[in-house]
Amino acid sequence: EPEVTQTPSHQVTQMGQEVILRCVPISNHLYFYWYRQILGQKVEFLVSFYNNEISEKSEIFDDQFSVERPDGSNFTLKIRSTKLEDSAMYFCASKGGDTQYFGPGTRLTVL
Amino acid sequence: LAKTTQPISMDSYEGQEVNITCSHNNIATNDYITWYQQFPSQGPRFIIQGYKTKVTNEVASLFIPADRKSSTLSLPRVSLSDTAVYYCLVGVLLFNKFYFGSGTKLNVKP
Repeated sequence: EPEVTQTPSHQVTQMGQEVILRCVPISNHLYFYWYRQILGQKVEFLVSFYNNEISEKSEIFDDQFSVERPDGSNFTLKIRSTKLEDSAMYFCASKGGDTQYFGPGTRLTVL
Repeated sequence: LAKTTQPISMDSYEGQEVNITCSHNNIATNDYITWYQQFPSQGPRFIIQGYKTKVTNEVASLFIPADRKSSTLSLPRVSLSDTAVYYCLVGVLLFNKFYFGSGTKLNVKP
């Protein structure tokens, strides 16, 4: 069964550093998403992406965040200058038909 | 987007059927109902999706009454490995972004 994959599984960085989280959506899916989940809290929507542009974004997705589909397979989330409060699990999801499928997540730890 | 309300937690025993009900009083005409399962430190896993009446797949059933203001996820004969958080979400399928609630933490005991 096709799966959404994410790399790395765990990323540790220093505050103020840039990080790029990578996702490979399910092939032939057209809609892509990023969510985050702070430890012990609920999953929060960050951004949706379709046709090479952002469709919607939440208030969390400020100027520190950006998304890109640099080639035909990868979908990335960049955080330009990480803060301590960015520490969380970040989930990528993709949708081709009626259902969003989530990846396993990247645990980001900002020190 | 329609807000959902679920019980915070439920306990069950292995082999029992578990029914988790979700209220979504403000569901819109175009909204679908989707249930996800999440284990700690893992991504939400799709369980089942429906619009009305009953939907069944190999892992669960989803019951939706005619007014669609609630839905019930039914897990037949749960096992210890079904211990997880279960989320009910409603939204329009096209361009849908999901707003997750707190979910229902299901604890299956031996």
